[in-house]
Amino acid sequence: GMPVEQNPPALSLYEGADSGLRCNFSTTMKSVQWFQQNHRGRLITLFYLAQGTKENGRLKSTFNSKERYSTLHIKDAQLEDSGTYFCAAASSGSWQLIFGSGTQLTVMP
Amino acid sequence: EAAVTQSPRNKVAVTGGKVTLSCNQTNNHNNMYWYRQDTGHGLRLIHYSYGAGSTEKGDIPDGYKASRPSQENFSLILELATPSQTSVYFCASGDGRPGQLYFGEGSKLTVL
Repeated sequence: GMPVEQNPPALSLYEGADSGLRCNFSTTMKSVQWFQQNHRGRLITLFYLAQGTKENGRLKSTFNSKERYSTLHIKDAQLEDSGTYFCAAASSGSWQLIFGSGTQLTVMP
Repeated sequence: EAAVTQSPRNKVAVTGGKVTLSCNQTNNHNNMYWYRQDTGHGLRLIHYSYGAGSTEKGDIPDGYKASRPSQENFSLILELATPSQTSVYFCASGDGRPGQLYFGEGSKLTVL
């Protein structure tokens, strides 16, 4: 299978709702990054994690290297959260990022 | 925020033609990267560079060349474009620290 499997491929939420995205890894990864691709197409780094959990405002991300997954949780979704979210992981012994296929998030009023 | 700018932002090319995608970064980063983004694949690394004069093959280098004439500029060259190279191409730069990667806004290439 794919080294990085990202789910769901698409997600629709109403404003104010909470939801989560997940990436599963087929092998042990040493770090993960989460990106948001904005309406102009640019990828912006949301989180970098080598372990544990980080929070930034309404976003929270967890990385469990041993269990081979990472999650991105969005709380109180806003219209401006719409976009495509990617996880990307680096395997042990490599710096190169392996990207998931993305989650297209639509937040509806 | 690091400034990474790509040109052209949109390009239509014919099969067999030569295409050059340019990338400029103004933050003195040593490392620069070219990715392509396709539905169902996320971003895949084509070529990268550690500094002026250096180019390295990424995961999918076939059909592409790269050039790093200076610290600021990194080009992706398609000598003989094919329809399978229709994609959105992203340039990124970084200073080598984990998590420090800055992307351009992408270049949409259509090869007819």
